[in-house]
Amino acid sequence: KQEVTQIPAALSVPEGENLVLNCSFTDSAIYNLQWFRQDPGKGLTSLLLIQSSQREQTSGRLNASLDKSSGRSTLYIAASQPGDSATYLCAVPPLGDSNYQLIWGAGTKLIIKP
Amino acid sequence: EAQVTQNPRYLITVTGKKLTVTCSQNMNHEYMSWYRQDPGLGLRQIYYSMNVEVTDKGDVPEGYKVSRKEKRNFPLILESPSPNQTSLYFCASSLFGEKLFFGSGTQLSVL
Repeated sequence: KQEVTQIPAALSVPEGENLVLNCSFTDSAIYNLQWFRQDPGKGLTSLLLIQSSQREQTSGRLNASLDKSSGRSTLYIAASQPGDSATYLCAVPPLGDSNYQLIWGAGTKLIIKP
Repeated sequence: EAQVTQNPRYLITVTGKKLTVTCSQNMNHEYMSWYRQDPGLGLRQIYYSMNVEVTDKGDVPEGYKVSRKEKRNFPLILESPSPNQTSLYFCASSLFGEKLFFGSGTQLSVL
């Protein structure tokens, strides 16, 4: 059964630093991997989606990579800003699941200190 | 503007009083889903729908009902709410294999 893990659960860094968030999954048979951002009490916003055939996706200061063989994805945030403070979640739909159900990580709570 | 609209944003009710949380999307998405989010438990799927008239249970369906009579709408029904259904609820939609779009959430309190 697919399991998704995000470590660390929380991270606090000074403004301006580059940082990496990690997402691990146990079964490499996935359709894709998605990274989301959630602000407190609000809905989730999809940041990046990497298809299983892709190695990375970029959007502005965000870069997500995917290594299926090792069961890992990283979300790189360049030049962090206080506005990046949020919880970041990753999710994968297992390949072979025709109902396309997402398996979610528990998230990393990121705090960027001014 | 492409969006998933949930209503109401906040809801306080009493045990046993039937309620409906509405969800509508304007992106012609086939897939729609309901989640609840509780501290320490993360996101848990309640029900999902692959298309009109096609719905199925998620991980925590007990005490909930859904319907998908139109492609754009996917209401969540609590026939007899109980305090353990106090939670933050999210509706989401997508095309298959594409980005998942979430509504802003409904904070439900059952007294």
